[in-house]
Amino acid sequence: KQEVTQIPAALSVPEGENLVLNCSFTDSAIYNLQWFRQDPGKGLTSLLLIQSSQREQTSGRLNASLDKSSGRSTLYIAASQPGDSATYLCAVGTGFQKLVFGTGTRLLVSP
Amino acid sequence: NAGVTQTPKFQVLKTGQSMTLQCAQDMNHEYMSWYRQDPGMGLRLIHYSVGAGITDQGEVPNGYNVSRSTTEDFPLRLLSAAPSQTSVYFCASSYSFAGTGNSGNTIYFGEGSWLTVV
Repeated sequence: KQEVTQIPAALSVPEGENLVLNCSFTDSAIYNLQWFRQDPGKGLTSLLLIQSSQREQTSGRLNASLDKSSGRSTLYIAASQPGDSATYLCAVGTGFQKLVFGTGTRLLVSP
Repeated sequence: NAGVTQTPKFQVLKTGQSMTLQCAQDMNHEYMSWYRQDPGMGLRLIHYSVGAGITDQGEVPNGYNVSRSTTEDFPLRLLSAAPSQTSVYFCASSYSFAGTGNSGNTIYFGEGSWLTVV
């Protein structure tokens, strides 16, 4: 059974720092991996989608990498801002309409 | 463009009551799904649909029913509410398979429905 783990569970940094969020999965037979952002009381917003054949995706200050063989993905956030404060979730696509989610990393960026 | 709309936002039920969580999307997406989110656990798939008239079970389907009579709507029914169904429920939709290798496949989530069963 596919399991997704995100470390750390919570992270607090001062504004301006570069930071890395980690996601690991137990079964490398995935179709893709997605990173989402969740604000309190809100739904999930898709940030980046990496296909299984890709190594990384970039969007603005965000860069996500994927290493299928080792079962790992990282989300790199450059020059963090207070507006980046949220919970970040990763999910692996294991097949038809099947996403397996991690429990998330709660990020707080202080001014 | 409203995206994915869920109602109600908050609901308190008594054990044994039934209710329906509504979900509607205006993006003409074929694929819709329901997830529940519990503390300390990732989102778990309850049911999903690949188009009007076609539904299937996810990881945690017991106690829930779904139907898909139109492309736009995908309601989730709790048949006889139990305290274990206290959770946050999210509806999601996508243009194509969410979880397969199709490129450009973004999944859109509603803002959630907070359900408490007492």
